Amino acid sequence: DVKVTQSSRYLVKRTGEKVFLECVQDMDHENMFWYRQDPGLGLRLIYFSYDVKMKEKGDIPEGYSVSREKKERFSLILESASTNQTSMYLCASSINREGGELFFGEGSRLTVL
Amino acid sequence: AQSVTQPDIHITVSEGASLELRCNYSYGATPYLFWYVQSPGQGLQLLLKYFSGDTLVQGIKGFEAEFKRSQSSFNLRKPSVHWSDAAEYFCAVGAQANFGNEKLTFGTGTRLTIIP
Repeated sequence: DVKVTQSSRYLVKRTGEKVFLECVQDMDHENMFWYRQDPGLGLRLIYFSYDVKMKEKGDIPEGYSVSREKKERFSLILESASTNQTSMYLCASSINREGGELFFGEGSRLTVL
Repeated sequence: AQSVTQPDIHITVSEGASLELRCNYSYGATPYLFWYVQSPGQGLQLLLKYFSGDTLVQGIKGFEAEFKRSQSSFNLRKPSVHWSDAAEYFCAVGAQANFGNEKLTFGTGTRLTIIP
């Protein structure tokens, strides 16, 4: 089975802190994604990556950056956390660029005080 | 730009009854359509997908969905629900120009409650 692991299930940070959310997949998938999930808004794509060191902006990239130095790992970075970034963050991966299934991690719930 | 509407925020169904969750999309060409389910505290799991071909798609856990181009709909159905189907359901649309599953647009979700 594909496993997408998000290192932190729950985080509490203070405004202005730098926050790293880590995601690792174990199935040699090409694509990796970061989504944000908010009640009443569904999931919104922040960034995705289709190869090591490659990234593309999603619908809401402002205030976020990403890093993909190794194929299996995709990090989401909040350079200076703000209260409006309090949310559930979901990482996902897919095999390649052929429209297949996204496999999701269990999510990281971030609270910014 | 593509968009998805799930008109029902919350649906309550008796165990054993049939289910239909509505999804309407907006996209100029043939869309890539997905239904995902999220159980409490879990990530999302794919139920089924439509890219082309037969407009009635079978998925896991006894779910099916029908693509109706004329109505811009992709409704999810199950003939008899089980208590374990209680979850949140998300419809999503993708574009061929984005390889189908990159830059998916998700609906706002429908929460399903099952009563005995």
